[in-house]
Amino acid sequence: GEDVEQSLFLSVREGDSSVINCTYTDSSSTYLYWYKQEPGAGLQLLTYIFSNMDMKQDQRLTVLLNKKDKHLSLRIADTQTGDSAIYFCAESPRVGGYNKLIFGAGTRLAVHP
Amino acid sequence: DVKVTQSSRYLVKRTGEKVFLECVQDMDHENMFWYRQDPGLGLRLIYFSYDVKMKEKGDIPEGYSVSREKKERFSLILESASTNQTSMYLCASSPGQGRNQPQHFGDGTRLSIL
Repeated sequence: GEDVEQSLFLSVREGDSSVINCTYTDSSSTYLYWYKQEPGAGLQLLTYIFSNMDMKQDQRLTVLLNKKDKHLSLRIADTQTGDSAIYFCAESPRVGGYNKLIFGAGTRLAVHP
Repeated sequence: DVKVTQSSRYLVKRTGEKVFLECVQDMDHENMFWYRQDPGLGLRLIYFSYDVKMKEKGDIPEGYSVSREKKERFSLILESASTNQTSMYLCASSPGQGRNQPQHFGDGTRLSIL
């Protein structure tokens, strides 16, 4: 079946690293995604990783993928107050001729001084 | 940059009214989606469309219908609004070609049914 799980809340101190974890179930997912949602806004695509990669780095963001365990993580280095938001991971199982996204419930990241 | 525009940020309607939520995208994307977002439940797919005049039910289609008469526009319709449809509604679009099909979202419509 399709299911994506994330912890609901993470609190970090400004300047520390944040690690948001996600597990997914569908091994047919070719791409896995991370989205960010700021208060009152829609979802913003942050980054994605192709399923045959183990790691992808993009400035302060590092995505790690353990395909065997179906585990995905997002690391934010030097976390800032502007990083406070809800972070969603999503898998993309292929259904018929097109991809749909299955989202986790979101992890609320709170950054405190 | 992809632009997905939802017609209203906030909407207040009454029980029993017919409600239309409009969404327009400017990137010639084939696929369009409607989700609702509720605290602790994440995003749940209501309907999606992969072509003009085509529609597919998502996970929670009951009480909703959709219309896609033009490629750039996807409308969500609440036939007879009820209080349990109070929620944040998000529209998204994605390209129809290629293996990487990230969805791009609008800013959402917060709908309250009184």
